[in-house]
Amino acid sequence: GAVVSQHPSRVICKSGTSVKIECRSLDFQATTMFWYRQFPKKSLMLMATSNEGSKATYEQGVEKDKFLINHASLTLSTLTVTSAHPEDSSFYICSARKGEKNEQFFGPGTRLTVL
Amino acid sequence: GDSVTQMEGPVTLSEEAFLTINCTYTATGYPSLFWYVQYPGEGLQLLLKATKADDKGSNKGFEATYRKETTSFHLEKGSVQVSDSAVYFCALSHSGGGADGLTFGKGTHLIIQP
Repeated sequence: GAVVSQHPSRVICKSGTSVKIECRSLDFQATTMFWYRQFPKKSLMLMATSNEGSKATYEQGVEKDKFLINHASLTLSTLTVTSAHPEDSSFYICSARKGEKNEQFFGPGTRLTVL
Repeated sequence: GDSVTQMEGPVTLSEEAFLTINCTYTATGYPSLFWYVQYPGEGLQLLLKATKADDKGSNKGFEATYRKETTSFHLEKGSVQVSDSAVYFCALSHSGGGADGLTFGKGTHLIIQP
């Protein structure tokens, strides 16, 4: 199998604070991971592509200084929402690409609520 | 840019009914098309895919055919079960295996009643 975990599953924070979300591939190595954002009744929107050992590639309209991505190892990528505001409240989902299958495996998501 | 449109839910059916969830897309070139399923509390799982026109993807009794002329990839199942209750997402990618970021539809919540 190919299992991807996210931590935390749910987080509530105050406006102005920073929140870090972890995405881990548990039983495979992933040179590439992806971060998506999902609004209620909306599709998942690709935010950025995270490559191990290099800078993330952000989609148009996504603020790279606000959504910091670090892919420091082959099994871990982190998304830090800096100076969070209520409009950042959303469901954040990561996926990891498994090399030989060239397929994405998704984490269960993290619900962020900014008060 | 690319986009995927799928029917809004929730879709409620009785067990053993025939299922169709419509999906159409707008994209340049020849994308690969996917259906993902998300069960409560779990991550998205790949259900099936098709990488070129007229290909049919199938898995667990579900089928979808890549129709380039109508830019569609409708999901069908002949006889649904309660265990099929989930949210279904249609998606596209410009890499064959979904190796690049995916463009998703909004998702269709399917509810199967016994």
